[in-house]
Amino acid sequence: ELKVEQNPLFLSMQEGKNYTIYCNYSTTSDRLYWYRQDPGKSLESLFVLLSNGAVKQEGRLMASLDTKARLSTLHITAAVHDLSATYFCAGIQGAQKLVFGQGTRLTINP
Amino acid sequence: EPEVTQTPSHQVTQMGQEVILRCVPISNHLYFYWYRQILGQKVEFLVSFYNNEISEKSEIFDDQFSVERPDGSNFTLKIRSTKLEDSAMYFCASSEYNEQFFGPGTRLTVL
Repeated sequence: ELKVEQNPLFLSMQEGKNYTIYCNYSTTSDRLYWYRQDPGKSLESLFVLLSNGAVKQEGRLMASLDTKARLSTLHITAAVHDLSATYFCAGIQGAQKLVFGQGTRLTINP
Repeated sequence: EPEVTQTPSHQVTQMGQEVILRCVPISNHLYFYWYRQILGQKVEFLVSFYNNEISEKSEIFDDQFSVERPDGSNFTLKIRSTKLEDSAMYFCASSEYNEQFFGPGTRLTVL
């Protein structure tokens, strides 16, 4: 059964700094997803990574996938306050079942 | 931009009562899902639905839960006899291919 672990679970950082959130998963996952969730809100799809070595970037966020290491990373460049949120990674088990990590609560301070 | 919608946004019910949570998936999507998130915890898969039948379900999705697509647009989750531990945010999602799009959620509170 697929298990997904994120670290860190809590991250407080200053604006302008760079940081990386790590997502490890236990068994083969054909795809890896990153979602953002603001407090009390829904999940916003950020990235879908489909293959080994996939790298996707959107603004200050960049996600990558290493299927051999069973590791995905979400890198934040020059953080701004608006990026404060909880970030979830999820692998896929079976045809369509998303298995989520615990989430990383990111707080960016001025 | 098309989006998944859910009603109600908040449902309060007494333990033992039946509730129906409603979702309207994105119109050209073929796969539909229900997930739940207990406050402060991770998102958990409940069930997936394709071609008018359940394609996969989790161990959480026991006999008290059922899903239905009563017409061409709605997708519902019914909880027959609610328990206190069913209190959570319930998210509907839909997909065409790989990417699942989530609705705003229904916060279910069981008293």
